[in-house]
Amino acid sequence: GAVVSQHPSRVICKSGTSVKIECRSLDFQATTMFWYRQFPKQSLMLMATSNEGSKATYEQGVEKDKFLINHASLTLSTLTVTSAHPEDSSFYICSLKRGRNEQFFGPGTRLTVL
Amino acid sequence: QKEVEQNSGPLSVPEGAIASLNCTYSDRGSQSFFWYRQYSGKSPELIMSIYSNGDKEDGRFTAQLNKASQYVSLLIRDSQPSDSATYLCAVFYNTNAGKSTFGDGTTLTVKP
Repeated sequence: GAVVSQHPSRVICKSGTSVKIECRSLDFQATTMFWYRQFPKQSLMLMATSNEGSKATYEQGVEKDKFLINHASLTLSTLTVTSAHPEDSSFYICSLKRGRNEQFFGPGTRLTVL
Repeated sequence: QKEVEQNSGPLSVPEGAIASLNCTYSDRGSQSFFWYRQYSGKSPELIMSIYSNGDKEDGRFTAQLNKASQYVSLLIRDSQPSDSATYLCAVFYNTNAGKSTFGDGTTLTVKP
């Protein structure tokens, strides 16, 4: 069964608004979750590592003030895209790590900014 | 030089053939190796993990690891059209802040 859920699966918003994406671990207490972005026909790009109870670690070039990450519990991490613009339209995917560093991905959230 | 390299493809094989996907990595300290499958428009799913040299078989899938040569491969036997997807190779090593590094993926098409 599914290990990770994401909500919403699709969102369309107007430019300038903020969008929150939730990532839930369904059967595992995840101290670490990852957030990825993937543009059409391009590779996965790691945006940040979300650590429960502490600040997220962002990859180089990812604006931490634009992509707010909150990992408030062992089963929930949220990504908020603030003041979204059309260039932020993408497929956002979270994952968690378990076992011997295997990653399990959520189903993804497709964001379209008009 | 990328840390994890894969041929982008596309790789095309006829139904029933063996598909061979290759991946090389640069860090000799790499410890864990994974293959993920990603269908178009979907998120990746883990299909194989391998941690020691040699072969690991799971159904029609065989992962092969050669740490001395720094490559890991995935063989898909009796390929089916449903195997058509992008296959991502990922490598984990402890010095990378707990993150796996992903290759860009190889797109496989299995033709009926």
